[in-house]
Amino acid sequence: DGGITQSPKYLFRKEGQNVTLSCEQNLNHDAMYWYRQDPGQGLRLIYYSQIVNDFQKGDIAEGYSVSREKKESFPLTVTSAQKNPTAFYLCASSPLQGLQETQYFGPGTRLLVL
Amino acid sequence: EDKVVQSPLSLVVHEGDTVTLNCSYEVTNFRSLLWYKQEKKAPTFLFMLTSSGIEKKSGRLSSILDKKELFSILNITATQTGDSAVYLCAVEDGGGSNYKLTFGKGTLLTVNP
Repeated sequence: DGGITQSPKYLFRKEGQNVTLSCEQNLNHDAMYWYRQDPGQGLRLIYYSQIVNDFQKGDIAEGYSVSREKKESFPLTVTSAQKNPTAFYLCASSPLQGLQETQYFGPGTRLLVL
Repeated sequence: EDKVVQSPLSLVVHEGDTVTLNCSYEVTNFRSLLWYKQEKKAPTFLFMLTSSGIEKKSGRLSSILDKKELFSILNITATQTGDSAVYLCAVEDGGGSNYKLTFGKGTLLTVNP
């Protein structure tokens, strides 16, 4: 099946620990995005990438890092510098940069701090 | 800085009612406005609007964009309990060579039987 997968569904982080959220797509989309959603808030953009080996900071990039070594994969690392990481994280992809295409979302990962 | 404001933030109606959700925006280089429905997990796409005054319809849902006044509305007629969700509005900024979406906070719609 074509689509975007995120894993794990739930993730628990201890204080001072880095954790990595996985996002994989087999839609052959060029662009991929990471969003964070807090209760009562809309989605806020963390990082995005429109081509392999290149990515840009979104609105709330501090405390996060990403890589885009392969077109299909865009993992997000939540570092210990992110002081309030508890949130719902959504990955998305879209077909082509610069064209008016919608973004397709993965099922999300809920991160909880112990 | 791009800005998207949705209103109301929450709304409770009875089945059969008609609702109108609002989205106003400020963006440097507007390309499109999108509406999503979010139930428990990932948002699902509803509409993409790029031109003023052209209504898009899908069943009981419809949406229209006013690029002069910088807003969009999403209408749902004859609401059903299955319409209960958060409705998200997002605006695509096409400035430079990078394209990204800015989301509003969403409108939580609750449809009671």
